[in-house]
Amino acid sequence: ETGVTQTPRHLVMGMTNKKSLKCEQHLGHNAMYWYKQSAKKPLELMFVYSLEERVENNSVPSRFSPECPNSSHLFLHLHTLQPEDSALYLCASSRARDGGNEQFFGPGTRLTVL
Amino acid sequence: GQNIDQPTEMTATEGAIVQINCTYQTSGFNGLFWYQQHAGEAPTFLSYNVLDGLEEKGRFSSFLSRSKGYSYLLLKELQMKDSASYLCACMDSNYQLIWGAGTKLIIKP
Repeated sequence: ETGVTQTPRHLVMGMTNKKSLKCEQHLGHNAMYWYKQSAKKPLELMFVYSLEERVENNSVPSRFSPECPNSSHLFLHLHTLQPEDSALYLCASSRARDGGNEQFFGPGTRLTVL
Repeated sequence: GQNIDQPTEMTATEGAIVQINCTYQTSGFNGLFWYQQHAGEAPTFLSYNVLDGLEEKGRFSSFLSRSKGYSYLLLKELQMKDSASYLCACMDSNYQLIWGAGTKLIIKP
């Protein structure tokens, strides 16, 4: 138990569906992250929020839309996804973006796009 | 471009010592992290190095040479539960973590 929770743990959706992934951290951290993890590939940083402001958007397709309503919650809204978007989506948080602040990861959402 | 290289897979024997190497090329450097990830689970933090030298933490140690762009994770007295993937990640000048693809460590009895 890392103090970061994610729901749902598993999600199967069609290409025309709209769904949302939720992340909540109970650690009082100021930075939150969305990552995509595909088999045998490095973790891909998608979005970073620091003090509820988006500070990174690494050329992620617009079919992924993040939302950070407060410092404890982070959402990833999904619409019209493609089969190649099937992956493990990990949320993480850290005390701050800089320095040696370790990131604490949630258990992830295993997403399958049909 | 930015790049992190580490071996794809390694095998070691229970009770032995194993060293997992990582080389990096990044735009700036603000430290290097090692994480452990068991199959089907989230990565968990192992170590952080920002200065040259060896950091020891129980059975695990991590070494950094900034001039060589090189780090290693040393695992001693290997246990079966150490079977996992080990991820090397480097923080660049924008405080963004650049991740390696991970080294899958297989421990045999």
